[in-house]
Amino acid sequence: AQKITQTQPGMFVQEKEAVTLDCTYDTSDQSYGLFWYKQPSSGEMIFLIYQGSYDEQNATEGRYSLNFQKARKSANLVISASQLGDSAMYFCAMREGPAGTGAGSYQLTFGKGTKLSVIP
Amino acid sequence: DAGVTQSPTHLIKTRGQQVTLRCSPKSGHDTVSWYQQALGQGPQFIFQYYEEEERQRGNFPDRFSGHQFPNYSSELNVNALLLGDSALYLCASSLIGTSGRDEQFFGPGTRLTVL
Repeated sequence: AQKITQTQPGMFVQEKEAVTLDCTYDTSDQSYGLFWYKQPSSGEMIFLIYQGSYDEQNATEGRYSLNFQKARKSANLVISASQLGDSAMYFCAMREGPAGTGAGSYQLTFGKGTKLSVIP
Repeated sequence: DAGVTQSPTHLIKTRGQQVTLRCSPKSGHDTVSWYQQALGQGPQFIFQYYEEEERQRGNFPDRFSGHQFPNYSSELNVNALLLGDSALYLCASSLIGTSGRDEQFFGPGTRLTVL
């Protein structure tokens, strides 16, 4: 089974509108972290937002927020007030295991991504 | 504050050849991870280096090897190149155990084409 599933290969959104990018995950660990990255056509992966499995509140970073539903194992990214510069690939990723313990569980497992296109 | 840098940006090799990719981590970071991103896919973890040792490895053959130097920079070596090795190779650096989330910062990548 895939550990990270992004079911939307491509999404379109009107400029200034909000958009939700879906991500579901699969892990048996109680402690884990979920990340969203943006990858423009240049190729560099840009960190957007993080949610820890024990965080009680949904993470927010500027126009980005994460809709974390632990029981459903979903971590959807919400982008508010879309801008033309938001057009890019978006990847959901997971780190299994607690952060900073030296346990070696530092690899990120990525989904296949969603291509977001913002329409003027 | 310099971010993660990688060299070269592009590389063309033929089957059977060997290649070395280089990465300098973000200032202050001590851990380097390498990922392979095939066209249309998400990045896949190759391995991670910390304190000059490989501490974790993904599902990649021994043709993929690496090294970390005392200044924390790293190299990824791929021997006996196959057509399927054509991909974007991403380096990511992190400082384990300080931020509570261990986010990885990525470089711009090296695009390898194997002919």
